Amino acid sequence: DTGVSQNPRHKITKRGQNVTFRCDPISEHNRLYWYRQTLGQGPEFLTYFQNEAQLEKSRLLSDRFSAERPKGSFSTLEIQRTEQGDSAMYLCASPRDSGANVLTFGAGSRLTVL
Amino acid sequence: GNSVTQMEGPVTLSEEAFLTINCTYTATGYPSLFWYVQYPGEGLQLLLKATKADDKGSNKGFEATYRKETTSFHLEKGSVQVSDSAVYFCALTSPTETSYDKVIFGPGTSLSVIP
Repeated sequence: DTGVSQNPRHKITKRGQNVTFRCDPISEHNRLYWYRQTLGQGPEFLTYFQNEAQLEKSRLLSDRFSAERPKGSFSTLEIQRTEQGDSAMYLCASPRDSGANVLTFGAGSRLTVL
Repeated sequence: GNSVTQMEGPVTLSEEAFLTINCTYTATGYPSLFWYVQYPGEGLQLLLKATKADDKGSNKGFEATYRKETTSFHLEKGSVQVSDSAVYFCALTSPTETSYDKVIFGPGTSLSVIP
């Protein structure tokens, strides 16, 4: 149990559909990160929250992507009008402990767009 | 910008062989350096870290030394086991980033250890 929970673990959808992923981070930590990992690549930073504020977004996050963290606890990542190029593993992470600059990752949500 | 380069895989070794996975980085300021590991079917987890020049991180028989002069953080293990088969990611965080927790990863090196 890494302390970061993600669901669903796997989502298969048709092109053009919307999907939403949820992340429940380690409690009591105010920072939360989303990454995307494609096959054979390292994880790429997507966006970062401190409490409910989205403080940084990567250029990878097109306008079809939206992330929220409404109460500063869990977060959602929604992809609208999915494309085959969105197929990837979406990872959520939060700091292992305060000031350690080490992230604990969830097991990820794998998206397959047909 | 900050970046990490790793040797390409896949790497295949026999059990008890010596392992080296090369990693070099480009960063402004004084980054912290990490190796993360991803075992099959599992999430990323921290293997070891080093926060300043000449620090040696170690865990589970793996070691890596922060070499500022060569901007490197090579991963080594003297005798690998089948259970070490995984993908290894070199990574860094930089205090100049807006969030010092934000991890920048290399592309990963896949290791397979055969009995």
